[in-house]
Amino acid sequence: DSGVTQTPKHLITATGQRVTLRCSPRSGDLSVYWYQQSLDQGLQFLIHYYNGEERAKGNILERFSAQQFPDLHSELNLSSLELGDSALYFCASSAYMENTGELFFGEGSRLTVL
Amino acid sequence: GENVEQHPSTLSVQEGDSAVIKCTYSDSASNYFPWYKQELGKRPQLIIDIRSNVGEKKDQRIAVTLNKTAKHFSLHITETQPEDSAVYFCAASMNNFNKFYFGSGTKLNVKP
Repeated sequence: DSGVTQTPKHLITATGQRVTLRCSPRSGDLSVYWYQQSLDQGLQFLIHYYNGEERAKGNILERFSAQQFPDLHSELNLSSLELGDSALYFCASSAYMENTGELFFGEGSRLTVL
Repeated sequence: GENVEQHPSTLSVQEGDSAVIKCTYSDSASNYFPWYKQELGKRPQLIIDIRSNVGEKKDQRIAVTLNKTAKHFSLHITETQPEDSAVYFCAASMNNFNKFYFGSGTKLNVKP
């Protein structure tokens, strides 16, 4: 158990809909990263938050947005869903300390868009 | 931005043999290179990492080498075992850890 909790584990929805994925980082971790993993694909970096502030953006679509709340949990909002958005969405947290860059991944939220 | 390329995409070895996975990166500012192992249906987990001030690092049967000049780094697994079967991802980041760019993954199959 990595200590990172993601909900829901599975989600099935229709094209055009909007969903919210939730992530609770490990206790004490200030950084949250979101990644998208499509079938048989690598991990595509979406966005990184540190202590409530956006730190870096990757290949995140304009239809997607995220935020990190004062209690450090994060949400990834996906709107106007398309079939191609079907993927496993991972959240990872990190202590963001100078001497360690280890990412602790959650179990992922599997999104299926029909 | 950073581009990390990983080869091969699949690798099949006999138990006891060695396996080598190679990655290249494009941004010379990257200086932290972790490797993650993802077992089927599981989350990725860090297995080893290396920083740019080190050329090689070992941890039991696994080792990572880094060539900063050529901008490539490799994962070496010796005496492979069936439980090493998984997808392995390399990644690159700068010291600020703002972004981690992952390679496309290598599916390693260790045949008993």
